[in-house]
Amino acid sequence: GIQVEQSPPDLILQEGANSTLRCNFSDSVNNLQWFHQNPWGQLINLFYIPSGTKQNGRLSATTVATERYSLLYISSSQTTDSGVYFCAVERGDYKLSFGAGTTVTVRA
Amino acid sequence: EAGVTQSPTHLIKTRGQQATLRCSPISGHTSVYWYQQALGLGLQFLLWYDEGEERNRGNFPPRFSGRQFPNYSSELNVNALELEDSALYLCASSLNGGYTFGSGTRLTVV
Repeated sequence: GIQVEQSPPDLILQEGANSTLRCNFSDSVNNLQWFHQNPWGQLINLFYIPSGTKQNGRLSATTVATERYSLLYISSSQTTDSGVYFCAVERGDYKLSFGAGTTVTVRA
Repeated sequence: EAGVTQSPTHLIKTRGQQATLRCSPISGHTSVYWYQQALGLGLQFLLWYDEGEERNRGNFPPRFSGRQFPNYSSELNVNALELEDSALYLCASSLNGGYTFGSGTRLTVV
């Protein structure tokens, strides 16, 4: 199956700092999403981004499908940004393959 | 618009019992997907239902099963529960590519 690698596994930030999370995948995909898992376990959809660049407030994402990676940018981080960020990809078989996640801790 | 809803929020069962988890997709979505998030194993695809039929399943034993009803809601049944079935079970629905997840059911097997 397709391999999804996320880096770094853990990230500690001071409030106000910027950061970049990376997702590498081993094969071509037709779907890529970034999720934020809150402390109660719910996966919040951040971006549906199989290619290109999108922005939503302080978050933005870029996927370079031909080079098989995606980046999630967090700017001016806030304590509410803490949690686990997952990258998930799909190859058209209607099942998402998830990375192991990046645990982000933002300190006040 | 209501999101994906799951019930119950928490479920505690004894080893060997059966558990039933429920999911309602976003209105207008015909597909329901089930995922398991067990400690140390990450998020794994379990089952996909569409138009009342099981379309695909992940690498799980047959005691994980389910069904989809005419209103597109779905049940996940786990028979002969084992301790390692303790996990967060997430349901999702999809339209035009993007997946939306519910809040999950946390199953604890004791």
